[in-house]
Amino acid sequence: RKEVEQDPGPFNVPEGATVAFNCTYSNSASQSFFWYRQDCRKEPKLLMSVYSSGNEDGRFTAQLNRASQYISLLIRDSKLSDSATYLCVVNSFSGGYNKLIFGAGTRLAVHP
Amino acid sequence: EAQVTQNPRYLITVTGKKLTVTCSQNMNHEYMSWYRQDPGLGLRQIYYSMNVEVTDKGDVPEGYKVSRKEKRNFPLILESPSPNQTSLYFCASSPAGTGGGEQYFGPGTRLTVT
Repeated sequence: RKEVEQDPGPFNVPEGATVAFNCTYSNSASQSFFWYRQDCRKEPKLLMSVYSSGNEDGRFTAQLNRASQYISLLIRDSKLSDSATYLCVVNSFSGGYNKLIFGAGTRLAVHP
Repeated sequence: EAQVTQNPRYLITVTGKKLTVTCSQNMNHEYMSWYRQDPGLGLRQIYYSMNVEVTDKGDVPEGYKVSRKEKRNFPLILESPSPNQTSLYFCASSPAGTGGGEQYFGPGTRLTVT
């Protein structure tokens, strides 16, 4: 079983739609969580951290459920520019340092 | 401009011919790492460095070497490349105190080994 699992998609949605991605992780000792965005053939970039109480950044809302070991990302009012792959990232303390584990990503395609 | 740079961006080489991919960051970050990205597998860590002269293996270190003689540079060395090292490689840096979660990635190096 992969340490971080995501539905690869693609999620094809019209502009203005609301879309949600989920991600599950296997290490219950994981300490911090992030969503990164990766455009085609480009480097990943940090989108937002995920806090225990849930957090929002404009149209983006991230939530964490430690009991069920999953993280979600909600995008409201989708824009064409939101088309990208979204990577779920889990940070675990292992071997004396914090180790990032990346999911394989969920692809989002927003169409007119 | 704060950035991570990698060179070359694209490389086609033959099996067994030693190569080095350079990585440099101008943000004075302590932490640097190398990843490879393959379809369906996500980013996997090859090596990381907590600071100058401190390096350690990640999840897939076989066939790779690194060095950290200066804070800003973290080259990736393939002593004898093989076709299974064909991949997209990313260097990343992170400031101390963020737990490694806030990573800044270079633009990537697409390597093909024939």
